[in-house]
Amino acid sequence: SQQGEEDPQALSIQEGENATMNCSYKTSINNLQWYRQNSGRGLVHLILIRSNEREKHSGRLRVTLDTSKKSSSLLITASRAADTASYFCATSPQGGSEKLVFGKGTKLTVNP
Amino acid sequence: DGGITQSPKYLFRKEGQNVTLSCEQNLNHDAMYWYRQDPGQGLRLIYYSQIVNDFQKGDIAEGYSVSREKKESFPLTVTSAQKNPTAFYLCASSLTIYNEQFFGPGTRLTVL
Repeated sequence: SQQGEEDPQALSIQEGENATMNCSYKTSINNLQWYRQNSGRGLVHLILIRSNEREKHSGRLRVTLDTSKKSSSLLITASRAADTASYFCATSPQGGSEKLVFGKGTKLTVNP
Repeated sequence: DGGITQSPKYLFRKEGQNVTLSCEQNLNHDAMYWYRQDPGQGLRLIYYSQIVNDFQKGDIAEGYSVSREKKESFPLTVTSAQKNPTAFYLCASSLTIYNEQFFGPGTRLTVL
């Protein structure tokens, strides 16, 4: 069953611009995580935000969480060509077995 | 180097054959996971293990089997009962089931 839905499915920007990706989910969560995947590779964990947090920063990454709207956003500032990848949100639903549920991802292309 | 490894990187199988994918971690993590990823899709959970000698079915366990005899190892067998096994398989581990996951590089399985 799919919990998180990323939006947009694909995003193409120029180097130096900011990239914003959104994730909506259906049920209450313990935490929400963002991962990055380069083509044909494994996923890399970027950031985890707990349900009682509203915003977290890590370098050029900023994640927000709005539990009332059941949504999260990932902002990458001053994007670089090396940021080109697919980005996935994953939710840890409350009341379940703490399994992560992944969305289908946003494919980001940063053009030099 | 600490990390999580998967082998082989590419695997070809004839229809009707069972095949085992390897996953090893030296991060001293209790929890391990197997996911399947199809083109343009998110990850779907096949099996997970919270601790050695224990494992649970995920969302798409049919046609797959696992074992967790050692903390470091979580092999996945794709059996002939899996009707559509061609996919990218990702193994992950985490300190506990409540922590962020670390992924291996993946195994691409193709059924000929």
